Amino acid sequence: EDQVTQSPEALRLQEGESSSLNCSYTVSGLRGLFWYRQDPGKGPEFLFTLYSAGEEKEKERLKATLTKKESFLHITAPKPEDSATYLCAVQGGSEKLVFGKGTKLTVNP
Amino acid sequence: EAGVAQSPRYKIIEKRQSVAFWCNPISGHATLYWYQQILGQGPKLLIQFQNNGVVDDSQLPKDRFSAERLKGVDSTLKIQPAKLEDSAVYLCASSLDDRTGGNGETQYFGPGTRLLVL
Repeated sequence: EDQVTQSPEALRLQEGESSSLNCSYTVSGLRGLFWYRQDPGKGPEFLFTLYSAGEEKEKERLKATLTKKESFLHITAPKPEDSATYLCAVQGGSEKLVFGKGTKLTVNP
Repeated sequence: EAGVAQSPRYKIIEKRQSVAFWCNPISGHATLYWYQQILGQGPKLLIQFQNNGVVDDSQLPKDRFSAERLKGVDSTLKIQPAKLEDSAVYLCASSLDDRTGGNGETQYFGPGTRLLVL
C-alpha cells in the first residue's frame, strides 16, 4: 500500500528564514510525486510534479527535489504570504493519488 | 481557463438527512475525482471516473454514498443517510488524462464543499 509521511506537522518561520519540508514515501512504481499548497477554506493548489529521482523544480521562492525515498520542499527567504498547508502526494501503479497529512507553515513578519 | 467548479460551498444538515454535491470539471478533462478531506488530514479518494465510467470506487462507502457522472462532464456525489463522521470537506478534482510515457497526471482541485452534520 502506498504511504506518505510529512514532517514536521507544523513549522513557524520568521520572514526571510529559509527552511525545508520533508515528504517520505513508499510506493509501488512511482508515476509522480506532487506538491500542493492549500490555504484555509480553499482547495489544494497545484505547485509541482516530480517524476524521477534527481529531478528538481523551482517556482519563485519554492524548490522541490526528489530522491528514491523522499522529497523536500525548500522555501528560500519566505514571506508571510507563503503561509499555508503544503500537501505532498504520490501516484503509483494503482494510479491512485495518496496524500500525506500536510505541513502547516506559518511565516511571521 | 476556468477551474473546477463546485456547489454548494457550505452545507449544514442533521444526521440521517440526505445531501448532494455538484462538480463541473475543467473543460476537456476526461477524468474526474471526488475526495473527502477530514480536518487535519490529507484528501482521501472516494471515487474516480474516466469519462462516464467508474475507474476506482474501492474507498466509497457504498451503503450511504453514491456518485454519477452522466454524459461524461459534470458529476454529483450524494450521501444518504448522513452520519456525524461524514462532516468533512468534499473536494472535486479533474485531470486531462493525456498520459505521456506512463507519467502521472496532474489533478486540479475545486474549492470544495464544507459539510457539517449535526
